[in-house]
Amino acid sequence: NAGVTQTPKFQVLKTGQSMTLQCAQDMNHNSMYWYRQDPGMGLRLIYYSASEGTTDKGEVPNGYNVSRLNKREFSLRLESAAPSQTSVYFCASSARVGGYSNQPQHFGDGTRLSIL
Amino acid sequence: AQSVAQPEDQVNVAEGNPLTVKCTYSVSGNPYLFWYVQYPNRGLQFLLKYITGDNLVKGSYGFEAEFNKSQTSFHLKKPSALVSDSALYFCAVAIPVGSQGNLIFGKGTKLSVKP
Repeated sequence: NAGVTQTPKFQVLKTGQSMTLQCAQDMNHNSMYWYRQDPGMGLRLIYYSASEGTTDKGEVPNGYNVSRLNKREFSLRLESAAPSQTSVYFCASSARVGGYSNQPQHFGDGTRLSIL
Repeated sequence: AQSVAQPEDQVNVAEGNPLTVKCTYSVSGNPYLFWYVQYPNRGLQFLLKYITGDNLVKGSYGFEAEFNKSQTSFHLKKPSALVSDSALYFCAVAIPVGSQGNLIFGKGTKLSVKP
């Protein structure tokens, strides 16, 4: 059981380049999330998808787009990368019941992205 | 504003001693509270959660946490620390955002356990 799988694990981009981070989960979870982790700032939510077919902005959505391709897959796209987007990106999934999420989120091992 | 605070950036403990990692929260309503651990170059791993009921919650790897509503705290504890417990620990709270109930994370506390 792989859980949450993120690809690639590492990437270096030049300013202005675009790329898509991939995420897939095999736990049949209905909710998926993208976070970025920066030193001293904890995790900040970029976008989330409460269920297949829906996506919503989180705390720091500017410069990013997402696609919930199906129940398993949730991708994050940087259209024109900027140095401020250098970070570690984590995808997570959870089984959500109702408005509050009382189920734990399961995380992938991250994508380490550097933008020069 | 709804928030989670981890007042210590780092906690240092000797192996075999008890450890406490502090967390306080500021939310409206009754929160759902979580602790996660992150090892180097890995994603966050779920340790335990408080939803309702007994204020003392037991979780993975011998960790436990005590929910204190009057002090709005949810401190993580372990009676006897191991060197392998050294990691980054995150407290998180589920709050309603619209109708979505996403998590807000604290900034993390680095736990260092020395032999």
